[in-house]
Amino acid sequence: AQSVSQHNHHVILSEAASLELGCNYSYGGTVNLFWYVQYPGQHLQLLLKYFSGDPLVKGIKGFEAEFIKSKFSFNLRKPSVQWSDTAEYFCAVIPFSGGYNKLIFGAGTRLAVHP
Amino acid sequence: DSGVTQTPKHLITATGQRVTLRCSPRSGDLSVYWYQQSLDQGLQFLIQYYNGEERAKGNILERFSAQQFPDLHSELNLSSLELGDSALYFCASSAGTALNEQFFGPGTRLTVL
Repeated sequence: AQSVSQHNHHVILSEAASLELGCNYSYGGTVNLFWYVQYPGQHLQLLLKYFSGDPLVKGIKGFEAEFIKSKFSFNLRKPSVQWSDTAEYFCAVIPFSGGYNKLIFGAGTRLAVHP
Repeated sequence: DSGVTQTPKHLITATGQRVTLRCSPRSGDLSVYWYQQSLDQGLQFLIQYYNGEERAKGNILERFSAQQFPDLHSELNLSSLELGDSALYFCASSAGTALNEQFFGPGTRLTVL
């Protein structure tokens, strides 16, 4: 079955630390990849997406992600986190299965950034 | 504010009952998606409608059904409710297919007692 794995359920960092959140998916065909963020009390928002081309994708708020096809991975990174980055982060995949219809989410990673 | 609205925000009901959740997509969006978020299952795709027609189905139980009306708003009907149906139900909308960015609503928190 198609699935998305996020390695860390909870991450705690100090401000200015670097962040890397892991994401792996299990699907051998063409995929489109997303990272969504949910700030406390808010709705899910798109951080960045990868469809094709340069595997290093830049998103909003200084986030970037790298697609490594051979590793089935799409890790999220940020060089220096801020307290305002405290949120839950979801990796998501749309596999091509007769069309692009289903957005499959990982379990999410809760990030807490301490001042 | 994503532009997607959901009502009600909270719903408390008893086992065996039926409830209806409502979603209004962003202006101009033709696709509506429903998701269920629970502690044990995470965020699961339930169903997608595009311009009034069902487009894709995910892990939606037979006790659940949805529809999209001519004005593009959508309703998710949950019947014969069980304790395990307690969850946060999100609606999202996009301009076209799921490849387009999906904009999420604030969710409806359903509690089944």
